[in-house]
Amino acid sequence: QKEVEQNSGPLSVPEGAIASLNCTYSDRGSQSFFWYRQYSGKSPELIMSIYSNGDKEDGRFTAQLNKASQYVSLLIRDSQPSDSATYLCAGSGGSNYKLTFGKGTLLTVNP
Amino acid sequence: GAVVSQHPSWVICKSGTSVKIECRSLDFQATTMFWYRQFPKQSLMLMATSNEGSKATYEQGVEKDKFLINHASLTLSTLTVTSAHPEDSSFYICSARGPSTNEKLFFGSGTQLSVL
Repeated sequence: QKEVEQNSGPLSVPEGAIASLNCTYSDRGSQSFFWYRQYSGKSPELIMSIYSNGDKEDGRFTAQLNKASQYVSLLIRDSQPSDSATYLCAGSGGSNYKLTFGKGTLLTVNP
Repeated sequence: GAVVSQHPSWVICKSGTSVKIECRSLDFQATTMFWYRQFPKQSLMLMATSNEGSKATYEQGVEKDKFLINHASLTLSTLTVTSAHPEDSSFYICSARGPSTNEKLFFGSGTQLSVL
């Protein structure tokens, strides 16, 4: 069974700090990975996608992928209170690109 | 990013009635759409996958006769919850991908269903 595991948190960081979110996956066939942000009562919003080993940076966000160790991470630099949300990690593989989601990590950024 | 529109945003209905939720891709052709449900403080649970012009593929434990999915065009999929009961109350979210989205999945805004 394909699984994506995340620390459920909650993770609390002060404003301006770096928030580090981690995710591991069990399916070695997974090729693509995504981080979504979900505010309470809202649907998920795509933040980052990563397909190859290494780092990928986009503004304050950096995604890291290590396929040998089967983990994906998301770093948020200069965290803001508006970053407070649940972050969902997802992996996909196969012809239908069906995503498998983790349970999400609740992040709180304190002013 | 690509835009997926979902309606209605919320619906309240009486037990035993049917509710239809629409999901539209506004600026891309959605060859595949996914329907999820999410209970409070839980993650997304995939209900079914639908490819345009084909029957939907349901996940284990999801009743296909209760949750009717139609994906008749490249821009529209519908989910009908038939004979809804209070235990069907949940947040339903559609998502879509297509040749132009490079594997990325884009979500509709979700529908909060409350069955009285």
